[in-house]
Amino acid sequence: SQTIHQWPATLVQPVGSPLSLECTVEGTSNPNLYWYRQAAGRGLQLLFYSVGIGQISSEVPQNLSASRPQDRQFILSSKKLLLSDSGFYLCAWNMAGELFFGEGSRLTVL
Amino acid sequence: AQSVTQPDIHITVSEGASLELRCNYSYGATPYLFWYVQSPGQGLQLLLKYFSGDTLVQGIKGFEAEFKRSQSSFNLRKPSVHWSDAAEYFCAVGAGGTSYGKLTFGQGTILTVHP
Repeated sequence: SQTIHQWPATLVQPVGSPLSLECTVEGTSNPNLYWYRQAAGRGLQLLFYSVGIGQISSEVPQNLSASRPQDRQFILSSKKLLLSDSGFYLCAWNMAGELFFGEGSRLTVL
Repeated sequence: AQSVTQPDIHITVSEGASLELRCNYSYGATPYLFWYVQSPGQGLQLLLKYFSGDTLVQGIKGFEAEFKRSQSSFNLRKPSVHWSDAAEYFCAVGAGGTSYGKLTFGQGTILTVHP
């Protein structure tokens, strides 16, 4: 069966520090992958999606970037974190129109 | 642009009571509609989805939702709520084809269940 893993689960970082969140999918090949962010008290917002290795589409302008170095790996990064980057980051993959989410990574920027 | 409105931020019901969570959407074409549930600190789990066909869709955990095009609504219902249903519920809208997975979510409704 397909599974999706995210790490780290929790992260506390100072303003201006770099960020790397990793997402790995197992049990499928060439998945469409997505990064969503959930800010406190708000719904989810699509940040990036990828339909294949090296193919990244950005949905909103921001301080973050994404990369897909391998078929089943999706990375969310920042060179310098802002306070507004705090939130719950969810990776997801799509099969037949249904999104399957990972357990999320909670980022607190201080 | 598509949008989703969940008018109720927080709903409290007693265990065994019926439940209806409201969702209104704005979308130019035939929408793909979803309800997800999120337990605290966890990812999201799909409860049910509507792509086409019968406008009353059944989901997991005894939930159902009805698509009403004339009202641009996709309300979630459950006839008898269990304490384990306490969670946050999100309605989402998307398109098909190459836009699969690119969903617009509502702000969520937090459900509290009293014993």
